[in-house]
Amino acid sequence: AQSVAQPEDQVNVAEGNPLTVKCTYSVSGNPYLFWYVQYPNRGLQFLLKYITGDNLVKGSYGFEAEFNKSQTSFHLKKPSALVSDSALYFCAVRPLNSGYSTLTFGKGTMLLVSP
Amino acid sequence: KAGVTQTPRYLIKTRGQQVTLSCSPISGHRSVSWYQQTPGQGLQFLFEYFSETQRNKGNFPGRFSGRQFSNSRSEMNVSTLELGDSALYLCASMGGAPTYEQYFGPGTRLTVT
Repeated sequence: AQSVAQPEDQVNVAEGNPLTVKCTYSVSGNPYLFWYVQYPNRGLQFLLKYITGDNLVKGSYGFEAEFNKSQTSFHLKKPSALVSDSALYFCAVRPLNSGYSTLTFGKGTMLLVSP
Repeated sequence: KAGVTQTPRYLIKTRGQQVTLSCSPISGHRSVSWYQQTPGQGLQFLFEYFSETQRNKGNFPGRFSGRQFSNSRSEMNVSTLELGDSALYLCASMGGAPTYEQYFGPGTRLTVT
């Protein structure tokens, strides 16, 4: 069975500083990896995904994520945080060849960007 | 393209009642998944429907059921509601190969009193 760990419940960063939200995963075989963001009272919005190819994936709103197979990590990053980036971030995984769409999510990390 | 829509957005029910939630996927998407989101348990997979057939099921009691219609619209039903069923219920539709991205609707906030 697959699992996702987001070790930080909350990340605090000042506007303009770089941010990192951590994610590690466990899955049989090669993974599909995803990051989603959730704003209050909203559904999940897709940010980016990793399937194969370059380990550095670029996504929406200036976010990027680095896939590290040896460390089974998929950390979300942004060079310069904005106050509007404050939201709940979820990392998710599914096996590459599972044939199913089921995503396994981490618990989520609240990102707070201060002005 | 219109996104995933869910109705109703908010719902208040009493213990013991039943409820039906509706989800309309993105046009052309045949897979619809349902997730329950609570502060304590996070996001948990309920079930997935593909071409009117349940293709995968999470670890929820039989009170939770669903179906999918020929136009890919899906409904989920919860019978004999319990206080612990209060949650945000999210529906996601999935595109096909090779990306299999899931697009989520805004959710239905169910409160059981």
